[in-house]
Amino acid sequence: KAGVTQTPRYLIKTRGQQVTLSCSPISGHRSVSWYQQTPGQGLQFLFEYFSETQRNKGNFPGRFSGRQFSNSRSEMNVSTLELGDSALYLCASSLELGRNTEAFFGQGTRLTVV
Amino acid sequence: DAKTTQPPSMDCAEGRAANLPCNHSTISGNEYVYWYRQIHSQGPQYIIHGLKNNETNEMASLIITEDRKSSTLILPHATLRDTAVYYCIVRVAGNQGGKLIFGQGTELSVKP
Repeated sequence: KAGVTQTPRYLIKTRGQQVTLSCSPISGHRSVSWYQQTPGQGLQFLFEYFSETQRNKGNFPGRFSGRQFSNSRSEMNVSTLELGDSALYLCASSLELGRNTEAFFGQGTRLTVV
Repeated sequence: DAKTTQPPSMDCAEGRAANLPCNHSTISGNEYVYWYRQIHSQGPQYIIHGLKNNETNEMASLIITEDRKSSTLILPHATLRDTAVYYCIVRVAGNQGGKLIFGQGTELSVKP
């Protein structure tokens, strides 16, 4: 069974631009979460989607947004990019919502803002 | 904020058991303990999770104290490929979800 697929793997953008990252969850998984990883802040939760609805949101500015489609695939968007948005963006999929469900991570998208 | 504390680093000899401790003294009765590991620049890998009973799978064992205030992840026969950052996480439930709040983790170095 294929794992979580994130595209693209690497991305370079200029300050002020916007970017869209894509995540395809494991087949049959209905919950998708996004995380940002930076050397200074570590792994931080961005948001979680289930059944096309945002169920949880982390402490990030409104420039960070996401959505989930009916096939459970998810995208996240960052507008007006800042240098500090350079990070590894990770997507995780789970079968369902809840505390007793493993989350499986993709390999991430490495975003560099110049 | 992370609800767990872990030592920043540990060493282990190849072939020996690696015992990684974690404190989660404020854990709630319905919160699970999860362990993940991350090898440099890859996505975190799920290892194991539990509520109050000890758990074992093909990768590791999880020992949770009776009061649930701490736990230990055991890698029974560590190999060089087990060198990674190990994260102990209490899974917080919110609005029917279950976000993972990562702390700084323990950097495990397995040495020949």
